[in-house]
Amino acid sequence: DGGITQSPKYLFRKEGQNVTLSCEQNLNHDAMYWYRQDPGQGLRLIYYSQIVNDFQKGDIAEGYSVSREKKESFPLTVTSAQKNPTAFYLCASSVQGNGNQPQHFGDGTRLSIL
Amino acid sequence: GEDVEQSLFLSVREGDSSVINCTYTDSSSTYLYWYKQEPGAGLQLLTYIFSNMDMKQDQRLTVLLNKKDKHLSLRIADTQTGDSAIYFCAERAGNMLTFGGGTRLMVKP
Repeated sequence: DGGITQSPKYLFRKEGQNVTLSCEQNLNHDAMYWYRQDPGQGLRLIYYSQIVNDFQKGDIAEGYSVSREKKESFPLTVTSAQKNPTAFYLCASSVQGNGNQPQHFGDGTRLSIL
Repeated sequence: GEDVEQSLFLSVREGDSSVINCTYTDSSSTYLYWYKQEPGAGLQLLTYIFSNMDMKQDQRLTVLLNKKDKHLSLRIADTQTGDSAIYFCAERAGNMLTFGGGTRLMVKP
């Protein structure tokens, strides 16, 4: 079945540590997105990529980094510079163009501080 | 800038209709979406409406769009306990989506 897979489902970070969240899609979508969701709040855009080897900062990119070496994969690294990383992280993908292109979401990764 | 707003909470009895409201500010929005999020899960696309439409019906779901007032609503008929979740509206301008803060729907038996 086509879809978006995020792993791991739960992740713990020690102080000063970088951690990487995986996002893989087999929908053949060009665009991929990372969002952060805090309890009781909506989604805030961290980074997005509209094509392989290219990505742009979203609204809250500080303390995060991404890469887009393959169309299927868009990993997110939460660096030690991100002082408040505890949140639910959601990856999404979509086709590009002018028609109806909703974003499709993975099941999320919950990151907590040890 | 873009801003999408929703009320935080809605409580209804099983079998009643639910109406979740959303306002947005970007007049260049092309599509508007409703997503559902169950606890600990990602967002599931429920339905969408194109900006030149007034209404769209899909089984128990009815989307109403008042483009003049930039107001979007989602009506769920015969609400069931399985409809309890957080509902997000989102507007699309260009290739990006802007999400509202979500409305938590609680359905009482």
